[in-house]
Amino acid sequence: EAGVTQFPSHSVIEKGQTVTLRCDPISGHDNLYWYRRVMGKEIKFLLHFVKESKQDESGMPNNRFLAERTGGTYSTLKVQPAELEDSGVYFCASSSQLQETQYFGPGTRLLVL
Amino acid sequence: AQSVTQLDSQVPVFEEAPVELRCNYSSSVSVYLFWYVQYPNQGLQLLLKYLSGSTLVESINGFEAEFNKSQTSFHLRKPSVHISDTAEYFCAVSGTSGTYKYIFGTGTRLKVLA
Repeated sequence: EAGVTQFPSHSVIEKGQTVTLRCDPISGHDNLYWYRRVMGKEIKFLLHFVKESKQDESGMPNNRFLAERTGGTYSTLKVQPAELEDSGVYFCASSSQLQETQYFGPGTRLLVL
Repeated sequence: AQSVTQLDSQVPVFEEAPVELRCNYSSSVSVYLFWYVQYPNQGLQLLLKYLSGSTLVESINGFEAEFNKSQTSFHLRKPSVHISDTAEYFCAVSGTSGTYKYIFGTGTRLKVLA
């Protein structure tokens, strides 16, 4: 069984540009989460999808971040326009209907210059 | 609201020595507790978890953690570490209902020395 995959693994962009991160959850997992770790800080929750619906987006930092999960399969997280403080590692995780255990992808390292 | 405290940002220890990585949490509701490990250049891997039942949980590679409700702790221990245990370890909690989103500690870098 394939694990959670994320693309790209690394992204370096300039301030003001747009970046789109992709997450493919484990097949059959209805729950999909996005987290972010800014350098030196804790990993912080961004949002939670159940299938294609946003269950909780309380962690989204501002309206420059847009997450989608069309069709309830993969998800994208778009940052537009990117700012310097958006640099960090973005993790995606998925879980089954039982929910309590999340399985994480390898993360996308985003560097905004 | 929930919070997690990992007091030790870095823990150096010699190979074959015991280690304890501390995790304390705060929550007004029941919680599930997790330890994840991130090896260099890899993603987060589940190490062990406490959901219910026995308060002592073990991983396949010799780590164990004990849920202590009165002290709101979930410390991670290993009696004898190996060089390959060098990694960053994260403690996390979630509620037992709702979105099950994780609240993480700041992580502890375990450095095993030869």
